[in-house]
Amino acid sequence: ETVLTQSPGTLSLSPGERATLSCRASQSVSSSYLAWYQQKPGQAPRLLIYGASSRATAVPDRFSGSGSGTDFTLTISRLEPEDFAVYYCQQYGNSPQTFGQGTKVEIK
Amino acid sequence: EVQLVQSGAEVKKPGESLKISCKGSGYIFSNYWIAWVRQMPGKGLEWMGIIYPADSDTTYSPSFQGQITISADKSISTAYLQWSSLKASDTSMYYCARGSSYFHYWGQGTLVTVSS
Repeated sequence: ETVLTQSPGTLSLSPGERATLSCRASQSVSSSYLAWYQQKPGQAPRLLIYGASSRATAVPDRFSGSGSGTDFTLTISRLEPEDFAVYYCQQYGNSPQTFGQGTKVEIK
Repeated sequence: EVQLVQSGAEVKKPGESLKISCKGSGYIFSNYWIAWVRQMPGKGLEWMGIIYPADSDTTYSPSFQGQITISADKSISTAYLQWSSLKASDTSMYYCARGSSYFHYWGQGTLVTVSS
């Protein structure tokens, strides 16, 4: 199966700063079929990005995704207080689908 | 409005059976895949398997094959996840989500606790 490795494990930043989250796949992800989710404590995940770079409905444009092949990035241009959460990548191009282990973005 | 509403929290003993549910509304339930995702306490997300309610076509992750059964009843717009013999290691939050690829719509989660 395709293993997704997210880095860093924890990102300590202040509101207004830029966040760059990485997701590296153990093999090429077909057709850039990669998604990003945000999860806050006690809540279900929320879809942010699909197809590596397409924003889901109602997702603010400070969230952007990029990458292809084995290297993908989620960028939050300016962190808002509500953006502090755990972020997961997911690949759905190779079977079985897999998720990364998550990156926690915490307030510095 | 698309909604997935899951059944309530469960507390079970090892060896017991369990079936949890996920009821869809606001869309044609039969036409969309439903996936099940596990989240162990304090851990990440794991894709367990998916079902197409129209014909009950089902695919399991190799990690969960043989451990769970996914089913659906399209007449009542409900998908199910079941275990025949629970283990303590099945203690987790379980989410259903709509789709066969990425997941825009999620249930609220069902917490399953297995303890003697």
